[in-house]
Amino acid sequence: EAGVVQSPRYKIIEKKQPVAFWCNPISGHNTLYWYRQNLGQGPELLIRYENEEAVDDSQLPKDRFSAERLKGVDSTLKIQPAELGDSAVYLCASSLWWSSNSPLHFGNGTRLTVT
Amino acid sequence: DAKTTQPNSMESNEEEPVHLPCNHSTISGTDYIHWYRQLPSQGPEYVIHGLTSNVNNRMASLAIAEDRKSSTLILHRATLRDAAVYYCILRDVRETSGSRLTFGEGTQLTVNP
Repeated sequence: EAGVVQSPRYKIIEKKQPVAFWCNPISGHNTLYWYRQNLGQGPELLIRYENEEAVDDSQLPKDRFSAERLKGVDSTLKIQPAELGDSAVYLCASSLWWSSNSPLHFGNGTRLTVT
Repeated sequence: DAKTTQPNSMESNEEEPVHLPCNHSTISGTDYIHWYRQLPSQGPEYVIHGLTSNVNNRMASLAIAEDRKSSTLILHRATLRDAAVYYCILRDVRETSGSRLTFGEGTQLTVNP
């Protein structure tokens, strides 16, 4: 099966500019996650979707970050405006909704550099 | 979320077994033990999970202490491709399938040729 697809793979922008990341989860996976990973640290959850509903966005900095998952499939994560501290790898993951132990399948992430 | 403690780094030689420890002294009865690994420049990858009994799959084995306060991920024959950061994570089975995975800093495994 095709894995989780993310694009772009790399993105370099100047601070105060907007940026968007795209994720296509594994077909049939109802749950989608966005994580952020700073250098040398483990990933941190930003937001979790069940179908098109954001059910856990407590870690999302809502002043500048936004996400959407139209039709419960693809998702987009946006930052506007970007700050230097937003430089990180942004990871998307998906899983089957019906099993609490369903493994998460991660994409290879988008590496964002804000200059 | 209950916390886990892992060594920052470990080294192994190629084709030798590797035992990666994880302490989780505050584990609750409904916490499953999950292991993920992250190869360089890739997203994390599921390895194995278990509750009480030892578990085996094609990638690894998971040995769980009788009191469940610690566990060990066992790679039976390390290869250079096993060099990665290994994360031990507790996941509460009472939560919905969308329950968050809370990653720590993991163990960086180096495999020497």
